[in-house]
Amino acid sequence: DVKVTQSSRYLVKRTGEKVFLECVQDMDHENMFWYRQDPGLGLRLIYFSYDVKMKEKGDIPEGYSVSREKKERFSLILESASTNQTSMYLCASSFLRGRYTFGSGTRLTVV
Amino acid sequence: AQTVTQSQPEMSVQEAETVTLSCTYDTSESDYYLFWYKQPPSRQMILVIRQEAYKQQNATENRFSVNFQKAAKSFSLKISDSQLGDAAMYFCAYRSYQYSGGGADGLTFGKGTHLIIQP
Repeated sequence: DVKVTQSSRYLVKRTGEKVFLECVQDMDHENMFWYRQDPGLGLRLIYFSYDVKMKEKGDIPEGYSVSREKKERFSLILESASTNQTSMYLCASSFLRGRYTFGSGTRLTVV
Repeated sequence: AQTVTQSQPEMSVQEAETVTLSCTYDTSESDYYLFWYKQPPSRQMILVIRQEAYKQQNATENRFSVNFQKAAKSFSLKISDSQLGDAAMYFCAYRSYQYSGGGADGLTFGKGTHLIIQP
């Protein structure tokens, strides 16, 4: 069964900490995405990657960076976590123009 | 930029009845894809149905069907014979058909509709 795995289901971090959210896919997909989901706002695209070491900003990249050193892994980095980054983070992957597969999400709380 | 609007934050329906979730979108493109995703409490996003804009025929998947009105930029989801397992957040999403080359194709989501099924 193909899957997208997010390393943590729940995470609690302190303000100012550097936070890494990890996402791994086993489908050899070229594209990988990070979305943020907030009640009443839906899902918003933070960053995406179409190849190893390639990345592009989505709609809300401020305060985030990403890393894709290997095709199967796409990391979202919060350089200095703030309380307004408390949210649900969803990772997804796809072949070029193919169907998306989503992870189960990481609920991050910054205190 | 494309926008997707879901005007119903929450809907409630009796089990076995039919419910329609609304979605409108704004785009200047002529070719695109539209999707409905379901997100149950498990958080797993599940693709419910997909529609290509160049197809006039409305997509159907078992109890789920869409009413795609391209001129009106409307894409509603009808759920027939509602079941308790249909309770979830439902998201309408848009994806451009054009591939810009060098850029991946992200989905643009609406804000979601919370569907409650009354037993």
